Amino acid sequence: AQSVTQLDSHVSVSEGTPVLLRCNYSSSYSPSLFWYVQHPNKGLQLLLKYTSAATLVKGINGFEAEFKKSETSFHLTKPSAHMSDAAEYFCVVSPLSYQKVTFGTGTKLQVIP
Amino acid sequence: SAVISQKPSRDICQRGTSLTIQCQVDSQVTMMFWYRQQPGQSLTLIATANQGSEATYESGFVIDKFPISRPNLTFSTLTVSNMSPEDSSIYLCSVDTSSSPSTEAFFGQGTRLTVV
Repeated sequence: AQSVTQLDSHVSVSEGTPVLLRCNYSSSYSPSLFWYVQHPNKGLQLLLKYTSAATLVKGINGFEAEFKKSETSFHLTKPSAHMSDAAEYFCVVSPLSYQKVTFGTGTKLQVIP
Repeated sequence: SAVISQKPSRDICQRGTSLTIQCQVDSQVTMMFWYRQQPGQSLTLIATANQGSEATYESGFVIDKFPISRPNLTFSTLTVSNMSPEDSSIYLCSVDTSSSPSTEAFFGQGTRLTVV
């Protein structure tokens, strides 16, 4: 069994300040973990993924996430928020043994000018 | 990576009717998935479309309501049958292009369905 919990449904930051979107997971297997972004009226775009290689994963648009097995966490960060980062972000877990994925409930990021 | 084309991108339908959504991939893929994203919600897996066999449905979803076809390794359709306003959602097609433990899912742009 697997699950993923996004701890915040909404996060609001000022432009130029750091972003932290939190994600905790549980999985019976060593999981693959992903962050996807969905801009309003757009499809899903892969930001980054962790697949048992380096624990610090760098993605597109300056985002990165760190896999912490001891904390079962995969939090998404960005040093400086941009207005274009305003979107909904989904943390996703997938076990290695098969390809079915489980989505978190999403975190809406608001960036204030 | 895979490029997924999903049609239609949006539709407004009358209750009691059916809508078929198409998903075309630019390469052969083993696994195709259909998801539903209800307003303000996350994505929920409806079913896994298997080529050459019946789709595998998740709990809460049945074939009579969401029949799926998978005639080949690059194409699938999802039909939303006998629609009601509760079916108003975004429906997304997804594929897994990996044959290794490194799993990555790619998504179509989605079909925004409104049932009136």
